[in-house]
Amino acid sequence: QKEVEQNSGPLSVPEGAIASLNCTYSDRVSQSFFWYRQYSGKSPELIMSIYSNGDKEDGRFTAQLNKASQYVSLLIRDSQPSDSATYLCAVKGWGAGGTSYGKLTFGQGTILTVHP
Amino acid sequence: GAGVSQTPSNKVTEKGKYVELRCDPISGHTALYWYRQSLGQGPEFLIYFQGTGAADDSGLPNDRFFAVRPEGSVSTLKIQRTERGDSAVYLCASSPKIGGGTDTQYFGPGTRLTVL
Repeated sequence: QKEVEQNSGPLSVPEGAIASLNCTYSDRVSQSFFWYRQYSGKSPELIMSIYSNGDKEDGRFTAQLNKASQYVSLLIRDSQPSDSATYLCAVKGWGAGGTSYGKLTFGQGTILTVHP
Repeated sequence: GAGVSQTPSNKVTEKGKYVELRCDPISGHTALYWYRQSLGQGPEFLIYFQGTGAADDSGLPNDRFFAVRPEGSVSTLKIQRTERGDSAVYLCASSPKIGGGTDTQYFGPGTRLTVL
């Protein structure tokens, strides 16, 4: 089982629709969760971070975290063609002594296409 | 302000050669990370530094890979006796805080390494 798994893509939605991206993780001590967007040929760009159970909203983006189910998702409302990219889920856990592990563990990414 | 910079942007080398990849983090960022991304996959952790020391090098695939950060700023990833399987995009990221689960990692543009 992979440490971080994302829903298989590619995902195609019409402009204006809601895009739903899902991610599960295997390490129960994971504490920090991130969604990155990566355009083709470019580096990952942070969209959202979430650390507590529940929802976190930022503009058209909502991240949802359920630690009991080891599940994190990203909703994109009013999807735009400019949202077409690969979305990467990443997790990080706490190390000994309460300091964070530095490394991010990424999923394989979900390709999203928003068509006009 | 300036983001993370990486040089070269592209590197083509022959099997068996030695290469160096350079990363210049965001000014003032104490943590620096190296990842490797193969086509169609999420970034894979290699090593991270807090200051000058390697805090976690568990992701380095073998002893052909080595990284340094002698003055706590610029880092160099060194690959000896390159193999075709080393071909990938090498990403560098930096973050502003030491420890803490909420520190965000900002990625550079990457170096695309091709081993012929």
